[in-house]
Amino acid sequence: DAKTTQPNSMESNEEEPVHLPCNHSTISGTDYIHWYRQLPSQGPEYVIHGLTSNVNNRMASLAIAEDRKSSTLILHRATLRDAAVYYCILSGANSKLTFGKGITLSVRP
Amino acid sequence: EPEVTQTPSHQVTQMGQEVILRCVPISNHLYFYWYRQILGQKVEFLVSFYNNEISEKSEIFDDQFSVERPDGSNFTLKIRSTKLEDSAMYFCASRARLQGNYGYTFGSGTRLTVV
Repeated sequence: DAKTTQPNSMESNEEEPVHLPCNHSTISGTDYIHWYRQLPSQGPEYVIHGLTSNVNNRMASLAIAEDRKSSTLILHRATLRDAAVYYCILSGANSKLTFGKGITLSVRP
Repeated sequence: EPEVTQTPSHQVTQMGQEVILRCVPISNHLYFYWYRQILGQKVEFLVSFYNNEISEKSEIFDDQFSVERPDGSNFTLKIRSTKLEDSAMYFCASRARLQGNYGYTFGSGTRLTVV
């Protein structure tokens, strides 16, 4: 499985935008970029996914670099409830998700 | 919004006992998965299931583990003879289809404690 690299942690202020980076330099042409988050004591939660074009949904935006070797998850206005571990995962034809350590996002009031 | 439901939320069992963890995936989903997360560690893939058979399993998923979709709605994970190291959160997930690379929906998990 192609790997992703994320910083260990990030802090943000409430109601400010947050940009969570992810590097995936070995991505293949058929890999989708998925983002999930895990709040304390809960199961992973789907956030967003994309292939080549930028994507928006009610939770977040996903900006994908033109060469697809990196992407950024954007939370437009962080809330305290957004404090979680965010996982950037490449999902290919074999369908399973391989979780890394993710990035721990802390939100300051 | 449709949910994946897991029961029980917490199970305590004695070492060597059999346990069955239950999941009700989203009704029109076709692909089903079990993952586990030992406290403080990464979420690990156990098994994927499609069309009433296992499509992929990890090294963790040895002969002590089995999965079943007995009645078209439930999806179960059985651990035949539990060990202390099986203590973990177990997450069920389902996915509508592979084409278009749909997102996964995870349940809130079953915390298994083996004593």
